[in-house]
Amino acid sequence: EIVMTQSPATLSVSPGERVTLSCRASQSVGNRIAWYQQKPGQSPRLLIKGASITATGIPAKFSGSGSGTEFTLTISNLQSEDFAIYFCQQYDDWPPVTFGGGTKVEIK
Amino acid sequence: EVQLVESGGGLVQPGGSLRLSCAASGFSFSDHFMDWVRQAPGKGLEWIGRIRNAVNTYHTEYAASVIGRFIISRDDSKNALYLQLNSLKMEDAAVYYCARALEDPAYRGHHVSYYFLDVWGKGTTVTVS
Repeated sequence: EIVMTQSPATLSVSPGERVTLSCRASQSVGNRIAWYQQKPGQSPRLLIKGASITATGIPAKFSGSGSGTEFTLTISNLQSEDFAIYFCQQYDDWPPVTFGGGTKVEIK
Repeated sequence: EVQLVESGGGLVQPGGSLRLSCAASGFSFSDHFMDWVRQAPGKGLEWIGRIRNAVNTYHTEYAASVIGRFIISRDDSKNALYLQLNSLKMEDAAVYYCARALEDPAYRGHHVSYYFLDVWGKGTTVTVS
């Protein structure tokens, strides 16, 4: 099973700032990683697929990069609606599909 | 509009059973693989399992934590996905989401396919107490 590790667990950020979230895979997953955003009381929403491809309808402020075992999600110009929990997920090797533990982006 | 709507959650005693449903609309349900994912209160996402489409003989795969207890099925004539929960434990209490597993187009035509979860339902809550 591929273990996905996200860091940090919580990130305190001021509106308008740019943040970078990290996700590490326990073995290479190529570029087969997705990022999801989850707001309180809502279901996850796909942001990024294939490590760097923004999903339909997702604003360009969200960008992903990385390959192999190290991945990042960058969010620029943070606004109130961006404060949420972000999960990475590998879809290279399944079963099982595995998710990271999440990074909570909160208002500083 | 592509939509998934879960139902069937509720309160069940340990050792009990429950069947969750997921109604799909706005897309060709029968063409797609479908997943179940759960989230315990205040915790992260845990993949439960996947059912393939008819072309792939409705083959199912499960997480180790639910093998032998949970069963995924589908009825393409009703655009419906199901999750049968048996022998429920306290640790099965969670919000259960159904999600569409979409084939990554970058690998279409390759001998191996890869799937990410592009559409999620709002979830249904299972309480075990």
